[in-house]
Amino acid sequence: QVQLVESGGGLVKPGGSLRLSCATSGFTFSDSYMSWIRQAPGKGLEWISYIGPSSTYTNYADSVKGRFTISRDNPKNSVYLQMDSLRAEDTAIYYCVRDHYYYVSGSPGNHFDYWGQGTLVTVSS
Amino acid sequence: DIQLTQSPSSLSASVGGRVTFTCRASQNIGRNLNWYQQKPGKAPNALIYAASNLQSGVPSRFSGSGSGTDFTLTISSLQPDDLATYYCQQSFTSPKTFGQGTKLQIK
Repeated sequence: QVQLVESGGGLVKPGGSLRLSCATSGFTFSDSYMSWIRQAPGKGLEWISYIGPSSTYTNYADSVKGRFTISRDNPKNSVYLQMDSLRAEDTAIYYCVRDHYYYVSGSPGNHFDYWGQGTLVTVSS
Repeated sequence: DIQLTQSPSSLSASVGGRVTFTCRASQNIGRNLNWYQQKPGKAPNALIYAASNLQSGVPSRFSGSGSGTDFTLTISSLQPDDLATYYCQQSFTSPKTFGQGTKLQIK
């Protein structure tokens, strides 16, 4: 059974920092790309970062580039999101997600097949 | 960034009925389009990938079609459990953007 469990959310003041963790089980974590996706209250979904299986590849949305850092620990089957210089607009539920790559009819693609339950980050003074 | 526009923003349908959601991309994305279902207060779940492939465990009443810029998600026989917001998402290029969602209500 696949599980992704986020932790580390909470209330933080603007300019502060927070580190989110995601513990996974039930799939081969060390072979998987992982992403973080967030959802502001009452709003839609926003992909913010991914990391490749060996941490060689990372990518960030412009909205968090230079402030957030994604990392992983394969022996611990865990992925992390270090969030610095937090702003009010970073307030959201943060989901840890497996970014699954596939080939369909010979063409590559990817989709988010497993999701955690999310952890709420509130940035407010 | 590739923009995805979903229509309508909300809709209401009866149990047993057929429902169609539309997602339009701002440029050609081939078949790199995925659909997700988010029930109230829950995390999203994967429904369809690569435009028309059903995610494992998803009921066969869900189907997807389309390519290029125009895509649809269809529920063939609506069930009460289908109450949710439905999002499309493109994986053609980074950043991997989502549509704004279509909220489905059951009459």
